[in-house]
Amino acid sequence: AQTVTQSQPEMSVQEAETVTLSCTYDTSESDYYLFWYKQPPSRQMILVIRQEAYKQQNATENRFSVNFQKAAKSFSLKISDSQLGDAAMYFCAYRSAQAGGTSYGKLTFGQGTILTVHP
Amino acid sequence: DARVTQTPRDKVTEMGQEVTMRCQPILGHNTVFWYRQTMMQGLELLAYFRNRAPLDDSGMPKDRFSAEMPDATLATLKIQPSEPRDSAVYFCASGDLGVTGELFFGEGSRLTVL
Repeated sequence: AQTVTQSQPEMSVQEAETVTLSCTYDTSESDYYLFWYKQPPSRQMILVIRQEAYKQQNATENRFSVNFQKAAKSFSLKISDSQLGDAAMYFCAYRSAQAGGTSYGKLTFGQGTILTVHP
Repeated sequence: DARVTQTPRDKVTEMGQEVTMRCQPILGHNTVFWYRQTMMQGLELLAYFRNRAPLDDSGMPKDRFSAEMPDATLATLKIQPSEPRDSAVYFCASGDLGVTGELFFGEGSRLTVL
């Protein structure tokens, strides 16, 4: 079974600074997706960024970028130029893309990291 | 914009009552998930459907919980009888198994069992 670990229950950053959230995962599969979801107080789950395991290039979305280390099974999220609106719970998630397996398509979440942004 | 619709948004009920939560997945998506979110346990997978067939409900207490997809436009999660420990936010999500792999989440149903 796949597991996702976020070792930082809470992080804080000053507005306009950069912060990195950590995520590691455990899997024996070679084909999968990794995601970072943001959950603000409104509780809506919002996709921040996605990474396909077969792609070596790190995904970027505006101020959000990832450092994907497949061999180390690490998937960290970097938020640059942090804004007050970035304050939220962030979840790292793993989704199996290994066709035919019993876990095919399942999405497994880490425990989450609460990010506070100070003005 | 296509979105996952969940009802009710909030529900307060008394212990022992039956609770049914409903989800309308995005048209064309072939996977549907039910998750439960609590402070203590985080996001737990309760049930997973692929092409309307239940594939994994190992995270669901079988004695009181049931999940079904009577058709492609409706997924239901039922709790009978409800208990205070069931108080949580329940999310439905849908997605395809295509290129993006992305799951789209509903706004969640907050359940409070007194």
